[in-house]
Amino acid sequence: SQTIHQWPATLVQPVGSPLSLECTVEGTSNPNLYWYRQAAGRGLQLLFYSVGIGQISSEVPQNLSASRPQDRQFILSSKKLLLSDSGFYLCAWCLGGGSYNEQFFGPGTRLTVL
Amino acid sequence: GENVEQHPSTLSVQEGDSAVIKCTYSDSASNYFPWYKQELGKRPQLIIDIRSNVGEKKDQRIAVTLNKTAKHFSLHITETQPEDSAVYFCAATVDIFGTGTRLKVLA
Repeated sequence: SQTIHQWPATLVQPVGSPLSLECTVEGTSNPNLYWYRQAAGRGLQLLFYSVGIGQISSEVPQNLSASRPQDRQFILSSKKLLLSDSGFYLCAWCLGGGSYNEQFFGPGTRLTVL
Repeated sequence: GENVEQHPSTLSVQEGDSAVIKCTYSDSASNYFPWYKQELGKRPQLIIDIRSNVGEKKDQRIAVTLNKTAKHFSLHITETQPEDSAVYFCAATVDIFGTGTRLKVLA
C-alpha cells in the first residue's frame, strides 16, 4: 500500500532563517506531487506541483521554492522566511498519467515563523 | 485558470438534519470533482468524488450532485451526526480547492 511521509511535524523558525520541508511517498511510482499551504482557519492554497523528477510548476509568486530530486521525494524550501509564511504545510500525491484521481495528503507540518 | 467558490463558509445544523454545501467552478473543461473532509489538526481525506460523466453519486449518508451546464456541484449529508463536524473542501480537477465550509453538528 502507499504511504506518504512529511517531516518535521512542527517547526518554529525566526524570520529570515532558511526552511526545508521534506515529503516522501512509498508504494507508487511516478506520482504527481503537490505542496499546499493552509493558513489558520483557511482553505488550501496550492503552492507547487510536480509531474516528474525535476519538473516543478509554481502557482503563486512567493519566496518559497520546491525541488523534486527523486521520483518520490518532494522538498519545499526557503532562503529567508517571512512572518506570512506561517501556516500548515501539506504535501500530497496522486496517480499520474493524465487522468484525475484522488489526492492523498501527508500529515502536515505546522510552521510558525516568529 | 480554474477558480472554485464554496458556500457557506460555516454551517450549523441540528443532529439528524441534512447539510448542503455548494461549489461553483469556472473552467468548463474540468471533469473531476472531489470532496474532502478535514478534522481539526488532521489531514484532508477524500469522502466522495464525481466525474463529469455522471450527475449524481451516493455513498450511504453522503451524496454529490453535479450540474455541468451551470458549473456547480453540491455535497449533501443526510442524518447528520456529531462526528460529521469538520471542515469540508470541494475541488475542481485535482488541485484547485474551494475555501472550505466549517460544519458543526449540534447534539
